[in-house]
Amino acid sequence: QVQLQQSGAELAKPGSSVKISCKASGYTFTSYYISWIKQTTGQGLEYIGYINTGSGGTNYNEKFKGKATLTVDKSSSTAFMQLSSLTPDDSAVYYCARGYGLSYWGQGVMVTVSS
Amino acid sequence: DVVMTQTPVSLSVSLGGQTSISCRSSQSLVHSDGNTYLYWYLQKPGQSPQLLIYKVSNRFSGVPDRFSGSGSGTDFTLKISRVEPEDLGVYYCYQGTHYPRTFGGGTKLELK
Repeated sequence: QVQLQQSGAELAKPGSSVKISCKASGYTFTSYYISWIKQTTGQGLEYIGYINTGSGGTNYNEKFKGKATLTVDKSSSTAFMQLSSLTPDDSAVYYCARGYGLSYWGQGVMVTVSS
Repeated sequence: DVVMTQTPVSLSVSLGGQTSISCRSSQSLVHSDGNTYLYWYLQKPGQSPQLLIYKVSNRFSGVPDRFSGSGSGTDFTLKISRVEPEDLGVYYCYQGTHYPRTFGGGTKLELK
């Protein structure tokens, strides 16, 4: 069955970076893009961007350019998102999801930014 | 950005009853390829969102036929009939036609 397994919760200091992972199984990894979504209580669900798992090409929501960097390791069927220059506003749950239609979602990673 | 407006924000329903959720977009969601990329998701308490409906009216694998989607252009509806306890949670619409992709604010379905 299709699964997207994300890495564990992160506690980070302001100004630092975190890199979270999303390991896919149960399907051909390079057949679907991986999208990333941010969820907060205040802003709801926000689309960060996607990565073409075959070519590594990316597309970012303008709001997240410079904040998020999406990469992929085809050999391990894993997608990554690095969040840089963290501020408290980056505290959220971050999800990866499969494809354009977000047909399957990871369990989410809670990122807390606090000094 | 395309604004997705869901109404109502919350909904109370009796088990076995029927209800509907509206989603309106600030621009037409008809893509240049002729498809309309409007999706519906349910986020149950403590869980990740799960896909229910894709491209307006197509039920995703395993989704019961109690769920149905309809609409066109800028106006879309999700109908839930014979509501069951596992249907409770927050429903979101999402558009995949325009960049950046955007979500509705959510509709919380609760038991009456």
